[in-house]
Amino acid sequence: EVQLLESGGGLVQPGGSLRVSCVASGFSFSTYLMSWVRQAPGKGLEWVSGISNSGANTYYADSVKGRFTISRDNSKNTLYLQMNSLRSDDTAVYYCMKKFDYWGQGTPVTVSS
Amino acid sequence: QSALTQPASVSGFPGQSIAISCTGTSSDVGGGYGYVSWYQQHPGRSPKLLIYDVIDRPSGVSNRFSGSRSGNTASLSISGLQAEDEADYYCSSYTGTDILVVFGGGTKVTVL
Repeated sequence: EVQLLESGGGLVQPGGSLRVSCVASGFSFSTYLMSWVRQAPGKGLEWVSGISNSGANTYYADSVKGRFTISRDNSKNTLYLQMNSLRSDDTAVYYCMKKFDYWGQGTPVTVSS
Repeated sequence: QSALTQPASVSGFPGQSIAISCTGTSSDVGGGYGYVSWYQQHPGRSPKLLIYDVIDRPSGVSNRFSGSRSGNTASLSISGLQAEDEADYYCSSYTGTDILVVFGGGTKVTVL
């Protein structure tokens, strides 16, 4: 059974940093493209960032480019999203997504003073 | 890359059939990649895959859900509408660019 378990969310002040993680199980993690997708309160889904199976290629939405960094450790079956220079409009539930199918339960990030 | 266009809401009576459209461009939905997906999201829950690769249904998903595509528009059809189908529905498409994935704005389905 595919499982994706996010963690690391929380309350952070504007301008601060946070790293969220996603531990994967039930599939060959190193085989798949992985993404982070977020959902602001009461809003729709927004793709944030993606990374190729090897980690060699990374991709970002314009809204986070230069502030967020996606990475993965295939030896630990773990996906990461390092978020710097956080703004109030980054407040959302952050989901990891296996290619275009399975999703985790999400981890909430609140940016507020 | 702009978001895909979905109707904000669609409604129907139990037993009826409804369809949700998802309009993009020749660079995403109408492109040659074939990676158009549909997700169902109930309040407070994470999205669940209903359709992938335009028309394919994962095991365990009811055959009341079906996908199709014509040009730059994909569609999700729900037949035999049930109360449990009341949820938000999102489409997505792979773009083949540095903006890997675009989502639709979501459609709220109400069962009357």
